[in-house]
Amino acid sequence: AQKITQTQPGMFVQEKEAVTLDCTYDTSDPSYGLFWYKQPSSGEMIFLIYQGSYDQQNATEGRYSLNFQKARKSANLVISASQLGDSAMYFCAMRVSGNQAGTALIFGKGTTLSVSS
Amino acid sequence: GAVVSQHPSWVICKSGTSVKIECRSLDFQATTMFWYRQFPKQSLMLMATSNEGSKATYEQGVEKDKFLINHASLTLSTLTVTSAHPEDSSFYICSARGTSGSITDTQYFGPGTRLTVL
Repeated sequence: AQKITQTQPGMFVQEKEAVTLDCTYDTSDPSYGLFWYKQPSSGEMIFLIYQGSYDQQNATEGRYSLNFQKARKSANLVISASQLGDSAMYFCAMRVSGNQAGTALIFGKGTTLSVSS
Repeated sequence: GAVVSQHPSWVICKSGTSVKIECRSLDFQATTMFWYRQFPKQSLMLMATSNEGSKATYEQGVEKDKFLINHASLTLSTLTVTSAHPEDSSFYICSARGTSGSITDTQYFGPGTRLTVL
């Protein structure tokens, strides 16, 4: 069965510092995609970054980078130079090619990030 | 990025009534749409997968007669909560992905509908 695990219910960081949000996953399918989404208090889901299982390099998008360690089945999100607007809930998600649910994203429980000045 | 709209953004209804939520992909065609449910401070739980022109596929434990899904066109899917009760109060989020079918397709989410059943 596919599973996403986020073990950090909450994280606290000061402005301009970097923070790492942990995510581990479990699947037996060799082809899968890993996604990170941000959900501010308004509720909208904002796509941040994607990593494919066959990608050789770690994905980066601006201040976001994904530390992909395939052997450890981890896909941690690194946010550099945190800003107050980064305060939100962050979800790690996975899609597998053989998912009988129609390739929907499966989400972890989320991590609430609080950025202070 | 692609835009997904959802209507209404919030609704309050009496117990026993039915509520319809619309999900539209505004600038792309979506053969597949997904409906999620989210309780406060919790994760998104997949309720069902909606495919254009065919019956929805429901996740285990989701009552298909209570949560009616219709995907009548490539840009519109609707979720109807029938005979709503207070325990159905939740945040409902729809999501759509493009037609390429690639594993890399990003899922774009609607802004969500907050349902409160009195």
